[in-house]
Amino acid sequence: GNSVTQMEGPVTLSEEAFLTINCTYTATGYPSLFWYVQYPGEGLQLLLKATKADDKGSNKGFEATYRKETTSFHLEKGSVQVSDSAVYFCALSEANAGNNRKLIWGLGTSLAVNP
Amino acid sequence: GAGVSQTPSNKVTEKGKYVELRCDPISGHTALYWYRQSLGQGPEFLIYFQGTGAADDSGLPNDRFFAVRPEGSVSTLKIQRTERGDSAVYLCASSPLAGSNEQFFGPGTRLTVL
Repeated sequence: GNSVTQMEGPVTLSEEAFLTINCTYTATGYPSLFWYVQYPGEGLQLLLKATKADDKGSNKGFEATYRKETTSFHLEKGSVQVSDSAVYFCALSEANAGNNRKLIWGLGTSLAVNP
Repeated sequence: GAGVSQTPSNKVTEKGKYVELRCDPISGHTALYWYRQSLGQGPEFLIYFQGTGAADDSGLPNDRFFAVRPEGSVSTLKIQRTERGDSAVYLCASSPLAGSNEQFFGPGTRLTVL
């Protein structure tokens, strides 16, 4: 079945460091790929998405490119801020019967950015 | 506008009791999802509603779990004879259309079964 694997945390960085969080997936078809973020004490928020191969999703300085050849969707940011401290989840969805676009999730990666 | 809301935000109950968790989706959203997130894990799909009907309940762990959405808006997740292993955060998400790629999440209900 479909699955998502993302790098384990916690990840600790200094402010302005470069961030990469790896995410790979297994899917039978052509999934859409997502990164969600969960800030402390808040609910899940969509950070960015990509719906087909070679698409690049971007938001708030974060980017991820849908790589079909490597089945990957790694999250990157060139210069992290303390306010980026959160848990990041990689997820995929495929169209299922009845237009069910349930999300399949990775375990989450906790990021702590120190000033 | 208002986002997805869930009540209660926290629920503590005793083993064997019955609980109901409520989700108010964004107005006009036809698709609704329930997920369960255990500590240190990613969310796991429970059930999907398209309108009033449960189009996919394959993620419900057993027959103690049931969910309804009688008028195609508010949904209630019901858990009978709760067990300690049911302790988790229960998340609700809605989408504007069936088949839409984007899901909007509520803050979750943290259920603790003692």
